[in-house]
Amino acid sequence: GAVVSQHPSWVICKSGTSVKIECRSLDFQATTMFWYRQFPKQSLMLMATSNEGSKATYEQGVEKDKFLINHASLTLSTLTVTSAHPEDSSFYICSARAYPRGFSGNTIYFGEGSWLTVV
Amino acid sequence: GQNIDQPTEMTATEGAIVQINCTYQTSGFNGLFWYQQHAGEAPTFLSYNVLDGLEEKGRFSSFLSRSKGYSYLLLKELQMKDSASYLCAVRHNYGGSQGNLIFGKGTKLSVKP
Repeated sequence: GAVVSQHPSWVICKSGTSVKIECRSLDFQATTMFWYRQFPKQSLMLMATSNEGSKATYEQGVEKDKFLINHASLTLSTLTVTSAHPEDSSFYICSARAYPRGFSGNTIYFGEGSWLTVV
Repeated sequence: GQNIDQPTEMTATEGAIVQINCTYQTSGFNGLFWYQQHAGEAPTFLSYNVLDGLEEKGRFSSFLSRSKGYSYLLLKELQMKDSASYLCAVRHNYGGSQGNLIFGKGTKLSVKP
């Protein structure tokens, strides 16, 4: 299947600092990527939709200035958590819509996820 | 509104068959996905249905009825490693969205020896 790589897998940062998470589509071009957040034992919550070359579309209640999303190329989207606080500690997952040759159905594949702990 | 329902938990025996149901009401429909998620890991893709009927892929099958807003995931010959959460997700089209997924809360499946 299509591969989406997310980095780092886990990160610990100090309160008040910023941390960047990368999401790469390795074998296909992804004009659209999605960022999710998941708290323990809860379902995935969509944070924003990232479009290559344009501004991200944020879901209601998600702070644009706190969760900066950049989709500079067809294979890379980044999520930067600015001025991180302990309540931002969570599992962040990206996904990308695949249109590679041989794949049908506009399938959405997920990265491995990134565990963020803010101390 | 958007709503996706699936059972919270299910238990089955190794080697058996289990069916996980999912019902949905969404504004628009552009496909239904099933994902498997082990604790602490990202979801992995299992199946995609956009037309009515059954899609079979090895031990896993997924069924869709658009008129009923209903899908199920069928797991055969259960193995211990199948213990995981199974997420039903619908892709909808409305407004400015580009087909993002709406997830159910997931069904935690426990496979016992």
